[in-house]
Amino acid sequence: DQQVKQNSPSLSVQEGRISILNCDYTNSMFDYFLWYKKYPAEGPTFLISISSIKDKNEDGRFTVFLNKSAKHLSLHIVPSQPGDSAVYFCAPMNYGGSQGNLIFGKGTKLSVKP
Amino acid sequence: DVKVTQSSRYLVKRTGEKVFLECVQDMDHENMFWYRQDPGLGLRLIYFSYDVKMKEKGDIPEGYSVSREKKERFSLILESASTNQTSMYLCASSTRQGIQFFGPGTRLTVL
Repeated sequence: DQQVKQNSPSLSVQEGRISILNCDYTNSMFDYFLWYKKYPAEGPTFLISISSIKDKNEDGRFTVFLNKSAKHLSLHIVPSQPGDSAVYFCAPMNYGGSQGNLIFGKGTKLSVKP
Repeated sequence: DVKVTQSSRYLVKRTGEKVFLECVQDMDHENMFWYRQDPGLGLRLIYFSYDVKMKEKGDIPEGYSVSREKKERFSLILESASTNQTSMYLCASSTRQGIQFFGPGTRLTVL
């Protein structure tokens, strides 16, 4: 059973508009949530994170929202730029109970069109 | 800046060959990880290590082994490569429960 689901394999957005990437999880022990961005033929790079004690975290154009009761988080990119075109992975962890293992979703491929 | 390096960016091997993938990190991280990435399947954990000489199986350890003789180095070994092991292999390191930093990946093709 998938503990982390990114139900949209792909998303296409016009430059300047908002991109919203969604992630659902089933494990209520997850308390720290990370987003990674990956370009083709490169390793993933850390983008933004949020702790379960918060419901929002913002870093420049990127904002992550967490709805614990719904076990849902979303990544908002505003405004979207062509350089944001990449695969985005949601990766939660049980911060207190794990040795640092992340559980990765299958990713959403974002295409931002000029 | 954290640096995670992998020994090869691209590798082509034949079925049955023994394959070594090396990963080195320069940040004195306790944890190191090996993943493979396949289209539509995301990142799947093969093995991880939280200390020298320690190793733990991930989700898909079959057909792989690992070695961690030094803190900075984590090796992934394919004892007898098969075509279904053609994939992108990604190494990562982190502090205990910290953000994982990834290497550039090795694209392995097994013919």
